[in-house]
Amino acid sequence: ETGVTQTPRHLVMGMTNKKSLKCEQHLGHNAMYWYKQSAKKPLELMFVYSLEERVENNSVPSRFSPECPNSSHLFLHLHTLQPEDSALYLCASSQVPPSNYGYTFGSGTRLTVV
Amino acid sequence: AQSVTQLGSHVSVSEGALVLLRCNYSSSVPPYLFWYVQYPNQGLQLLLKYTSAATLVKGINGFEAEFKKSETSFHLTKPSAHMSDAAEYFCAVSDLGGGSNYKLTFGKGTLLTVNP
Repeated sequence: ETGVTQTPRHLVMGMTNKKSLKCEQHLGHNAMYWYKQSAKKPLELMFVYSLEERVENNSVPSRFSPECPNSSHLFLHLHTLQPEDSALYLCASSQVPPSNYGYTFGSGTRLTVV
Repeated sequence: AQSVTQLGSHVSVSEGALVLLRCNYSSSVPPYLFWYVQYPNQGLQLLLKYTSAATLVKGINGFEAEFKKSETSFHLTKPSAHMSDAAEYFCAVSDLGGGSNYKLTFGKGTLLTVNP
């Protein structure tokens, strides 16, 4: 158990569906992150929330919509996705700054868009 | 600005052989450095970290890394590879910039294959 829990582990959705990914941490961290990991590509930082405020949005298409209702929960709302959005979506959490301890990652959600 | 370069996207070793995964960093301030491991369809797990204490850092699963400031390197080693070490390895740097710096910068990863 990593301390960061992501659900679901696997998700298959059609291009017209709406779904949400959930991330939960009870490590007392105050920053949370969404990363996209596609095959043969580097990790892509999508969104960062620090103290429940979005502090970074790396030019992510609007079909991805994050939500951070409190310091323990992070969601990624998905709608009208494209097949190229199929990837492993990783959530992470940390203290701010993460200098001493780095990030703690969840196990990821494997998303397939059909 | 900080950056991380992992030399070799794929390293293949025989079981029992030395593992050496290379990482060079660029940072304008003294960095904190991390190695993570990722098994298939899993998240990234922290292997070890350098946070300005001892330059030789020991981690889990028999891995260690040495911080060499003069070479701006933080290479990961293990004396004897096991089949279970097959995974992807990521080096990361945290810039100790002021304010609310929150980011780690990751390398592109090195896939380690262990042959029987």
